[in-house]
Amino acid sequence: RKEVEQDPGPFNVPEGATVAFNCTYSNSASQSFFWYRQDCRKEPKLLMSVYSSGNEDGRFTAQLNRASQYISLLIRDSKLSDSATYLCVNSGGSNYKLTFGKGTLLTVNP
Amino acid sequence: DAGVIQSPRHEVTEMGQEVTLRCKPISGHNSLFWYRQTMMRGLELLIYFNNNVPIDDSGMPEDRFSAKMPNASFSTLKIQPSEPRDSAVYFCASSTLANEQFFGPGTRLTVL
Repeated sequence: RKEVEQDPGPFNVPEGATVAFNCTYSNSASQSFFWYRQDCRKEPKLLMSVYSSGNEDGRFTAQLNRASQYISLLIRDSKLSDSATYLCVNSGGSNYKLTFGKGTLLTVNP
Repeated sequence: DAGVIQSPRHEVTEMGQEVTLRCKPISGHNSLFWYRQTMMRGLELLIYFNNNVPIDDSGMPEDRFSAKMPNASFSTLKIQPSEPRDSAVYFCASSTLANEQFFGPGTRLTVL
């Protein structure tokens, strides 16, 4: 089983749609979880951290289910500018070593 | 403030040649990471330095790869000799311990 697994997509949605990405991880000792965003031919950038209680940042909501080793990202009212690859990331039990999923490609269409 | 700086941004070389990638981390960050990204394998950690000392090099693929960090503001990743399968985007990232990692723009390497 891969350490971090994501549906690669692509997801094609119209503007204004709600889209959800899921991710599973294999290392039960993982302490920290993140979603990174990577635009085409650019570097990854932190989108948001994921907390056990779930957290929201504007149109973005992240949730963590430790029992199922599952992380999700919900994007509401999607914008053209949300088009990117979304990377699920965990710390794998250490405080420095990040393990990245291969990413889910999202395209928001006008 | 300048982010992580990498050079060159693009490198095209022939098999067997030596390749040196350079990175300047964000000032004040004490952790530096080298990653490689390919379509097949995604983003993989190659090596991690803390306070200029290599802590984890378990991701370095083989002896052809080496990395150094002679001071807090500079690191190199060297491939000698290079092979076509080394073609990838190489990212450098820096952080303060246990915090967000900031990535540089990457070096797109093509080995012919």
